[in-house]
Amino acid sequence: SQQGEEDPQALSIQEGENATMNCSYKTSINNLQWYRQNSGRGLVHLILIRSNEREKHSGRLRVTLDTSKKSSSLLITASRAADTASYFCATALRYNQGGKLIFGQGTELSVKP
Amino acid sequence: GAVVSQHPSRVICKSGTSVKIECRSLDFQATTMFWYRQFPKKSLMLMATSNEGSKATYEQGVEKDKFLINHASLTLSTLTVTSAHPEDSSFYICSATGPLEYGYTFGSGTRLTVV
Repeated sequence: SQQGEEDPQALSIQEGENATMNCSYKTSINNLQWYRQNSGRGLVHLILIRSNEREKHSGRLRVTLDTSKKSSSLLITASRAADTASYFCATALRYNQGGKLIFGQGTELSVKP
Repeated sequence: GAVVSQHPSRVICKSGTSVKIECRSLDFQATTMFWYRQFPKKSLMLMATSNEGSKATYEQGVEKDKFLINHASLTLSTLTVTSAHPEDSSFYICSATGPLEYGYTFGSGTRLTVV
């Protein structure tokens, strides 16, 4: 089952530019997480934002959450070629208590040097 | 930090044979493990949730007899693809949860090709 849509599905930018990816979800959530996946590899956890938070920063990452619109965005500033990967949002109803983690469709980001 | 080891990373098998994929939590006890399937350029589809010592809970549309999941210990879960067919070719990823601070930890995935 999929939680929602992410847009854009694919994003191509130049190194140094900012990349913004959006995610929408359908159910009430406890938190929303963003993951990165390099081609053919497992997932790496990037950042978690709780339902009572509106914005969170981690290094070059900035995540926002709008629970009224059931949407979140991930901003990567000053992008680098090494940021090229697929990015997924994921939601869990009961975080780390056996709750299922449901993923969005993902955004494939390509950062050109 | 929490580490989940998934093996094999790649496997090629003939149609009709069975393949077992292992997912191990190396430095924590995984009370719950999840199995996902991912098609090329697509998102992760949850197949099943397994809790140690109990039967796995499968998502709608996932064949229980096709994808056998065993979670016999707090550090090991296995996914067996039985009587594999070419349409079972995919990327399979496991995830484990344990102590609260560890969150969800993912294995590196298994690329299954059925010929």
